[in-house]
Amino acid sequence: GAGVSQTPSNKVTEKGKYVELRCDPISGHTALYWYRQSLGQGPEFLIYFQGTGAADDSGLPNDRFFAVRPEGSVSTLKIQRTERGDSAVYLCASSFEGGSTGELFFGEGSRLTVL
Amino acid sequence: GNSVTQMEGPVTLSEEAFLTINCTYTATGYPSLFWYVQYPGEGLQLLLKATKADDKGSNKGFEATYRKETTSFHLEKGSVQVSDSAVYFCALVFTSNTGKLIFGQGTTLQVKP
Repeated sequence: GAGVSQTPSNKVTEKGKYVELRCDPISGHTALYWYRQSLGQGPEFLIYFQGTGAADDSGLPNDRFFAVRPEGSVSTLKIQRTERGDSAVYLCASSFEGGSTGELFFGEGSRLTVL
Repeated sequence: GNSVTQMEGPVTLSEEAFLTINCTYTATGYPSLFWYVQYPGEGLQLLLKATKADDKGSNKGFEATYRKETTSFHLEKGSVQVSDSAVYFCALVFTSNTGKLIFGQGTTLQVKP
């Protein structure tokens, strides 16, 4: 499809396990973002990639969270030693440039449940 | 710090009713302001935006005016349809923080036939 694709759409895991969430942005979009949305809240910024490099990772909550984008396209968000508080919908978005216009294209999200 | 506050939902209206969803912001500077919408089963999508004071954003019959004096960006529509049922998010961004949107908590709108 032409939109931002995220997999898996749903992930249930146990506390302490490792999780990877994948994002395939719109073709040609150089900027990629990860956000986290808890129940009843708006999305919160995690990390922003421009090309292959993380231009801003100030939203990552702690060192259990890590994201990569090795070839400047697909990105993976990695969460180590998951905790129940990590349960949320993880949203990926992309934009053609740096997103200063604010127009981001979002995927449908990956819902993570940590038991 | 910078933040966005929206009116509590859910908002339930009959078709053809007038809609207002309030949004106010706190910001150290002059952000651009946005309304995003999330329809059931879909990703967030940009509805409208305004980049400076007194600008009016509009799309699909929705409007919002950037009011610097009241730090507000209220969303309005004159006549809602069932298909407008969705979650609406107000957001801001500073051009120096490219793509780092700050969202409100979202307001659910349900329109009944």
